[in-house]
Amino acid sequence: AQKITQTQPGMFVQEKEAVTLDCTYDTSDQSYGLFWYKQPSSGEMIFLIYQGSYDEQNATEGRYSLNFQKARKSANLVISASQLGDSAMYFCAMREGTDTLMNYGGSQGNLIFGKGTKLSVKP
Amino acid sequence: EPEVTQTPSHQVTQMGQEVILRCVPISNHLYFYWYRQILGQKVEFLVSFYNNEISEKSEIFDDQFSVERPDGSNFTLKIRSTKLEDSAMYFCASNDRAYYNEQFFGPGTRLTVL
Repeated sequence: AQKITQTQPGMFVQEKEAVTLDCTYDTSDQSYGLFWYKQPSSGEMIFLIYQGSYDEQNATEGRYSLNFQKARKSANLVISASQLGDSAMYFCAMREGTDTLMNYGGSQGNLIFGKGTKLSVKP
Repeated sequence: EPEVTQTPSHQVTQMGQEVILRCVPISNHLYFYWYRQILGQKVEFLVSFYNNEISEKSEIFDDQFSVERPDGSNFTLKIRSTKLEDSAMYFCASNDRAYYNEQFFGPGTRLTVL
């Protein structure tokens, strides 16, 4: 079974409008982390935003926000005021295992990625 | 701002040849990873490395793969006998326990096996 599901292979959005990229996840862990990365056509992976499973507030980073709905196991990325430079592949990822600093080696978990959503911003 | 670097950016090799992909993680980071991305597909975990040993590996990381931290700065991925299906982008990543909410990715090495 897919651990990370991104159901939108491609999305279009008009410049300056907001867009939501969907991500659902599957885990039996109580503690986990959710990530979004951007991959432009040049190929590098750019970290956008992180949400810990115990974080009560939705994460925000500038124009990016993560709509975290734990009961639904969804972690949608919202990009406000889209720009042409936002055109890229967007990957949702999850790291299972504890996020707490108290855990030995707590940050060594590998990331599990979804298949990505290709976002195209139209002028 | 510190960053993960990878060399070469593009490697072309003949099937059956050995390749070594190099990474320099961020200097104070303790956890290192290799991922690969076959063209048009999702990023897949290969291996994680901590305290000079492999801490986790995926099914992809079979006997033809190995990793090494030969000195205090480099982190290498060796593919012993390349196959056509090894053609992919290979990403190195690292993170520091104190900043566990992000894995920093390098720019990737595009490996083409002919």
